[in-house]
Amino acid sequence: QKEVEQNSGPLSVPEGAIASLNCTYSDRVSQSFFWYRQYSGKSPELIMSIYSNGDKEDGRFTAQLNKASQYVSLLIRDSQPSDSATYLCAVAPNSGAGSYQLTFGKGTKLSVIP
Amino acid sequence: SAVISQKPSRDICQRGTSLTIQCQVDSQVTMMFWYRQQPGQSLTLIATANQGSEATYESGFVIDKFPISRPNLTFSTLTVSNMSPEDSSIYLCSVKTGTSGWAREQYFGPGTRLTVT
Repeated sequence: QKEVEQNSGPLSVPEGAIASLNCTYSDRVSQSFFWYRQYSGKSPELIMSIYSNGDKEDGRFTAQLNKASQYVSLLIRDSQPSDSATYLCAVAPNSGAGSYQLTFGKGTKLSVIP
Repeated sequence: SAVISQKPSRDICQRGTSLTIQCQVDSQVTMMFWYRQQPGQSLTLIATANQGSEATYESGFVIDKFPISRPNLTFSTLTVSNMSPEDSSIYLCSVKTGTSGWAREQYFGPGTRLTVT
């Protein structure tokens, strides 16, 4: 059974600090990785996708992938109170039948303290 | 990314009844999906809505309970049939946009919050 694990939090960081969110996955064939942000009462919003080992940066967000360790992380630099939300990690295989289905973790709740 | 709308945004229904949720996209998309997010939980894929053919259901979900239609490349419906309080959840449609086969990004609609009494 495919599993995606995240620390449920809450993770509290002061404004301006770096928030580090972690995710591990069990299915070795997973090749596509995503981070979604979900504000309370809202639907998930895609903020990062990563397909290759290493780092991918987009503004204040950096996604890091290590397929050998089955680990993906999201760093948020210069955290703002508006970053307070639940962050969902999702994974998908890259080819074959069912390759578009996303498996989600339960999410990490981030709270940025002004 | 595409603009996705869902109707209704929320509803309160009595047990034993059925509710049909609509998902409309402002552009043609290759794939559409339906997810459920139960209170305090993450998202679980119900099915992939296939245009012109029967939906593909995930383990634990069946067509009799969650019939799905997808008559064209911009629209899909999910029906929650013979509802019980356990069906109280947020139901979300998502779409995969773009023509690149390797891209796996999905974008979500605003969701439908269903309460069954």
